[in-house]
Amino acid sequence: AQSVTQLDSQVPVFEEAPVELRCNYSSSVSVYLFWYVQYPNQGLQLLLKYLSGSTLVKGINGFEAEFNKSQTSFHLRKPSVHISDTAEYFCAVIGAYGQNFVFGPGTRLSVLP
Amino acid sequence: ETGVTQTPRHLVMGMTNKKSLKCEQHLGHNAMYWYKQSAKKPLELMFVYSLEERVENNSVPSRFSPECPNSSHLFLHLHTLQPEDSALYLCASSQLQGGTGELFFGEGSRLTVL
Repeated sequence: AQSVTQLDSQVPVFEEAPVELRCNYSSSVSVYLFWYVQYPNQGLQLLLKYLSGSTLVKGINGFEAEFNKSQTSFHLRKPSVHISDTAEYFCAVIGAYGQNFVFGPGTRLSVLP
Repeated sequence: ETGVTQTPRHLVMGMTNKKSLKCEQHLGHNAMYWYKQSAKKPLELMFVYSLEERVENNSVPSRFSPECPNSSHLFLHLHTLQPEDSALYLCASSQLQGGTGELFFGEGSRLTVL
């Protein structure tokens, strides 16, 4: 079985500053990794995903994430955030053999003017 | 229509009412899911349907009853709910066996039980 930890429940950051949202996972099998974003009163939208290949993955809205197998991490980064990035961010993992998704508890990113 | 659509977006019901949430996916996927999202709690997987058969039921109370009449439609029938059932109910779909299992979500149905 897989599990996901998001160490920060809330991250406040000023506009145009860089941000990193942390995600660590545990699994005994190969995994696929995902970051989803949820804006207020909306469903979850895929930001980016790691399936295989290059460990640096680029997603929508200027976000990127790096898969680090030795540290079992998949941290999300953005070099300069905007007010519109204020949302809840979820890290998720699924076993490469098709087990169910496991979501982290989420990190609320608040971008301050 | 594209993606996953959920209706209604908002629902208020009394504890003795019977209502249903509807989900439709236009992605040709073969699996559909119901998730519950409560304030300050992680996402809870409620039900999974794969090829129209229920393959997972995570100890959900019987006052929640899912129905999957075909691969594109999923319902969640609600009856005699409790106030603690107030939450955002999210439907999702994915392609199993041949896909990455990536979930595509609807906008959610916000349920308030009075």
